[in-house]
Amino acid sequence: EIVLTQSPGTLSLSPGERATLSCRASQSVSSSYLAWYQQKPGQAPRLLIYGASSRATGIPDRFSGSGSGTDFTLTISRLEPEDFAVYYCQQYGSSSTFGGGTKVEIK
Amino acid sequence: EVQLVESGGGLVQPGRSLRLSCAASGFTFDDYAMHWVRQAPGKGLEWVSGISWNSGSIGYADSVKGRFTISRDNAKNSLYLQMNSLRAEDTALYYCAKDGVSGGSPPYYFDYWGQGTLVTVSS
Repeated sequence: EIVLTQSPGTLSLSPGERATLSCRASQSVSSSYLAWYQQKPGQAPRLLIYGASSRATGIPDRFSGSGSGTDFTLTISRLEPEDFAVYYCQQYGSSSTFGGGTKVEIK
Repeated sequence: EVQLVESGGGLVQPGRSLRLSCAASGFTFDDYAMHWVRQAPGKGLEWVSGISWNSGSIGYADSVKGRFTISRDNAKNSLYLQMNSLRAEDTALYYCAKDGVSGGSPPYYFDYWGQGTLVTVSS
Protein backbone atom coordinates (compact mmCIF):
# COMPACT_ATOMS: atom_id res chain seq x y z
CA GLU A 1 0.00 0.00 0.00
CA ILE A 2 1.23 3.46 -0.92
CA VAL A 3 1.33 5.70 2.16
CA LEU A 4 0.90 9.44 1.61
CA THR A 5 2.37 11.87 4.12
CA GLN A 6 1.12 15.45 4.03
CA SER A 7 2.97 18.37 5.53
CA PRO A 8 2.65 20.57 7.37
CA GLY A 9 -0.21 19.35 9.51
CA THR A 10 -1.43 22.91 9.94
CA LEU A 11 -0.58 26.02 7.95
CA SER A 12 -1.39 29.41 9.50
CA LEU A 13 -1.60 32.15 6.89
CA SER A 14 -3.37 35.42 6.16
CA PRO A 15 -5.71 36.12 3.24
CA GLY A 16 -3.70 37.14 0.19
CA GLU A 17 -0.71 35.00 1.13
CA ARG A 18 0.59 32.03 -0.84
CA ALA A 19 0.02 28.52 0.50
CA THR A 20 2.28 25.59 -0.36
CA LEU A 21 1.11 22.12 0.70
CA SER A 22 3.23 18.99 0.35
CA CYS A 23 2.26 15.37 -0.26
CA ARG A 24 4.99 12.73 -0.21
CA ALA A 25 4.41 9.12 -1.25
CA SER A 26 6.14 6.06 0.19
CA GLN A 27 6.75 4.82 -3.37
CA SER A 28 6.43 6.28 -6.82
CA VAL A 29 2.88 7.14 -7.90
CA SER A 30 2.43 5.76 -11.39
CA SER A 31 1.40 8.09 -14.20
CA SER A 32 1.10 10.98 -11.73
CA TYR A 33 -2.21 9.58 -10.54
CA LEU A 34 -2.46 12.11 -7.72
CA ALA A 35 -5.49 14.21 -6.78
CA TRP A 36 -6.17 16.99 -4.28
CA TYR A 37 -9.40 17.70 -2.42
CA GLN A 38 -10.68 20.52 -0.26
CA GLN A 39 -13.00 19.85 2.66
CA LYS A 40 -14.80 22.44 4.76
CA PRO A 41 -16.49 21.63 8.09
CA GLY A 42 -19.74 19.75 7.64
CA GLN A 43 -19.23 19.35 3.90
CA ALA A 44 -18.18 16.58 1.58
CA PRO A 45 -14.75 16.78 -0.03
CA ARG A 46 -14.48 18.73 -3.29
CA LEU A 47 -12.13 17.71 -6.10
CA LEU A 48 -9.57 20.40 -6.92
CA ILE A 49 -6.79 18.74 -8.92
CA TYR A 50 -6.37 15.39 -10.70
CA GLY A 51 -3.49 13.90 -12.66
CA ALA A 52 -1.19 15.91 -10.37
CA SER A 53 -1.75 19.17 -12.24
CA SER A 54 -5.13 19.29 -14.01
CA ARG A 55 -7.73 21.55 -12.43
CA ALA A 56 -11.20 20.11 -11.99
CA THR A 57 -14.21 21.82 -13.53
CA GLY A 58 -14.95 25.20 -11.96
CA ILE A 59 -11.80 25.37 -9.84
CA PRO A 60 -10.19 28.85 -9.82
CA ASP A 61 -6.76 29.19 -11.37
CA ARG A 62 -5.23 30.30 -8.06
CA PHE A 63 -5.12 26.55 -7.30
CA SER A 64 -2.32 24.66 -9.00
CA GLY A 65 -0.76 21.25 -8.61
CA SER A 66 2.69 20.00 -9.49
CA GLY A 67 5.07 17.14 -8.92
CA SER A 68 5.74 13.58 -9.99
CA GLY A 69 7.13 10.34 -8.63
CA THR A 70 6.96 10.64 -4.87
CA ASP A 71 6.74 14.41 -4.30
CA PHE A 72 3.69 16.51 -5.07
CA THR A 73 2.64 20.05 -4.21
CA LEU A 74 -0.61 21.98 -4.09
CA THR A 75 -0.16 25.74 -4.33
CA ILE A 76 -2.79 28.37 -3.64
CA SER A 77 -1.34 31.54 -5.12
CA ARG A 78 -3.35 34.07 -3.09
CA LEU A 79 -5.57 32.82 -0.30
CA GLU A 80 -9.18 33.93 -0.39
CA PRO A 81 -11.34 33.75 2.78
CA GLU A 82 -13.18 30.72 1.37
CA ASP A 83 -9.91 28.77 0.94
CA PHE A 84 -9.39 28.15 4.65
CA ALA A 85 -10.15 24.44 4.94
CA VAL A 86 -8.55 21.01 5.14
CA TYR A 87 -6.80 19.66 2.06
CA TYR A 88 -6.21 16.00 1.25
CA CYS A 89 -4.10 14.34 -1.39
CA GLN A 90 -5.10 10.97 -2.88
CA GLN A 91 -3.14 8.55 -5.02
CA TYR A 92 -4.98 6.28 -7.43
CA GLY A 93 -2.09 4.62 -9.22
CA SER A 94 -2.20 1.57 -6.98
CA SER A 95 -5.63 1.04 -5.47
CA SER A 96 -6.43 4.28 -3.62
CA THR A 97 -5.12 5.93 -0.48
CA PHE A 98 -5.41 9.37 1.05
CA GLY A 99 -2.97 11.51 2.97
CA GLY A 100 -3.72 12.61 6.51
CA GLY A 101 -4.62 16.16 5.49
CA THR A 102 -3.30 19.70 5.93
CA LYS A 103 -5.42 22.29 7.66
CA VAL A 104 -5.05 25.81 6.30
CA GLU A 105 -6.16 28.19 9.01
CA ILE A 106 -6.42 31.96 9.32
CA LYS A 107 -3.44 33.50 11.07
CA GLU B 1 -26.81 18.21 -11.94
CA VAL B 2 -25.08 15.20 -10.42
CA GLN B 3 -26.66 14.06 -7.17
CA LEU B 4 -25.60 11.25 -4.87
CA VAL B 5 -27.82 10.54 -1.88
CA GLU B 6 -26.73 8.01 0.72
CA SER B 7 -29.03 6.26 3.16
CA GLY B 8 -29.08 3.32 5.54
CA GLY B 9 -26.76 4.53 8.27
CA GLY B 10 -27.55 4.32 11.95
CA LEU B 11 -26.57 2.90 15.32
CA VAL B 12 -25.69 -0.79 15.29
CA GLN B 13 -24.13 -3.16 17.81
CA PRO B 14 -20.70 -4.69 17.24
CA GLY B 15 -20.90 -7.87 15.20
CA ARG B 16 -24.17 -6.90 13.50
CA SER B 17 -24.82 -5.93 9.88
CA LEU B 18 -25.97 -2.86 8.01
CA ARG B 19 -26.65 -2.11 4.35
CA LEU B 20 -25.94 1.30 2.88
CA SER B 21 -27.50 2.60 -0.33
CA CYS B 22 -26.62 5.43 -2.67
CA ALA B 23 -29.13 6.80 -5.18
CA ALA B 24 -27.49 8.49 -8.16
CA SER B 25 -28.91 10.94 -10.67
CA GLY B 26 -27.80 13.56 -13.16
CA PHE B 27 -25.34 11.40 -15.10
CA THR B 28 -25.23 8.12 -16.99
CA PHE B 29 -24.76 5.84 -14.00
CA ASP B 30 -23.70 2.73 -15.90
CA ASP B 31 -20.82 4.60 -17.57
CA TYR B 32 -18.88 5.09 -14.33
CA ALA B 33 -17.28 3.18 -11.52
CA MET B 34 -18.55 4.07 -8.06
CA HIS B 35 -16.95 4.06 -4.64
CA TRP B 36 -17.48 4.23 -0.91
CA VAL B 37 -15.16 6.46 1.11
CA ARG B 38 -15.43 6.86 4.87
CA GLN B 39 -14.36 9.40 7.44
CA ALA B 40 -14.20 8.59 11.14
CA PRO B 41 -15.23 11.47 13.43
CA GLY B 42 -12.52 14.13 13.39
CA LYS B 43 -10.27 12.01 11.17
CA GLY B 44 -9.17 11.84 7.55
CA LEU B 45 -10.55 10.07 4.50
CA GLU B 46 -10.29 6.35 3.81
CA TRP B 47 -11.25 4.66 0.56
CA VAL B 48 -13.37 1.65 1.46
CA SER B 49 -14.41 -0.02 -1.78
CA GLY B 50 -15.02 0.53 -5.47
CA ILE B 51 -16.90 -1.20 -8.26
CA SER B 52 -16.50 -0.80 -12.01
CA TRP B 53 -19.35 0.23 -14.31
CA ASN B 54 -20.28 -3.39 -15.09
CA SER B 55 -19.38 -4.89 -11.69
CA GLY B 56 -16.53 -6.74 -13.39
CA SER B 57 -13.84 -5.16 -11.21
CA ILE B 58 -14.24 -4.76 -7.47
CA GLY B 59 -11.76 -3.66 -4.84
CA TYR B 60 -11.68 -3.31 -1.08
CA ALA B 61 -9.46 -1.73 1.52
CA ASP B 62 -7.65 -4.33 3.63
CA SER B 63 -9.50 -3.03 6.69
CA VAL B 64 -12.88 -4.22 5.34
CA LYS B 65 -11.95 -7.12 3.06
CA GLY B 66 -14.01 -10.21 3.84
CA ARG B 67 -16.58 -8.24 5.85
CA PHE B 68 -17.97 -5.68 3.40
CA THR B 69 -19.51 -6.31 -0.04
CA ILE B 70 -20.07 -3.64 -2.65
CA SER B 71 -22.68 -4.01 -5.38
CA ARG B 72 -24.65 -1.92 -7.83
CA ASP B 73 -27.92 -2.05 -9.75
CA ASN B 74 -27.57 -0.08 -12.96
CA ALA B 75 -31.29 -0.40 -13.70
CA LYS B 76 -32.01 1.45 -10.46
CA ASN B 77 -29.03 3.85 -10.61
CA SER B 78 -28.04 2.61 -7.19
CA LEU B 79 -24.92 1.61 -5.30
CA TYR B 80 -24.85 -0.53 -2.18
CA LEU B 81 -22.51 -1.52 0.63
CA GLN B 82 -23.33 -4.58 2.71
CA MET B 83 -21.41 -4.32 5.96
CA ASN B 84 -21.14 -7.44 8.13
CA SER B 85 -19.31 -8.17 11.38
CA LEU B 86 -19.19 -4.48 12.18
CA ARG B 87 -16.59 -3.19 14.61
CA ALA B 88 -16.25 -0.02 16.65
CA GLU B 89 -13.53 1.15 14.27
CA ASP B 90 -16.04 1.11 11.40
CA THR B 91 -17.79 4.08 12.99
CA ALA B 92 -17.66 6.82 10.37
CA LEU B 93 -19.48 8.98 7.90
CA TYR B 94 -19.76 6.94 4.72
CA TYR B 95 -19.65 8.82 1.44
CA CYS B 96 -20.72 7.57 -1.95
CA ALA B 97 -18.42 8.96 -4.65
CA LYS B 98 -18.45 8.91 -8.44
CA ASP B 99 -15.33 7.93 -10.34
CA GLY B 100 -13.96 10.71 -12.51
CA VAL B 101 -13.22 8.58 -15.56
CA SER B 102 -15.77 6.91 -17.81
CA GLY B 103 -15.12 3.19 -18.18
CA GLY B 104 -11.53 2.13 -17.55
CA SER B 105 -10.17 0.26 -14.56
CA PRO B 106 -10.91 2.06 -11.31
CA PRO B 107 -10.21 3.58 -8.94
CA TYR B 108 -9.44 7.00 -10.29
CA TYR B 109 -10.17 10.31 -8.66
CA PHE B 110 -13.61 11.11 -7.27
CA ASP B 111 -15.32 14.05 -8.92
CA TYR B 112 -18.66 14.03 -7.12
CA TRP B 113 -19.52 13.08 -3.56
CA GLY B 114 -22.72 12.64 -1.62
CA GLN B 115 -23.27 14.22 1.78
CA GLY B 116 -22.69 10.93 3.59
CA THR B 117 -24.57 8.64 5.94
CA LEU B 118 -23.36 8.12 9.51
CA VAL B 119 -22.68 4.64 10.81
CA THR B 120 -22.13 4.27 14.54
CA VAL B 121 -21.03 0.89 15.89
CA SER B 122 -21.52 0.71 19.63
CA SER B 123 -23.10 -1.47 22.27
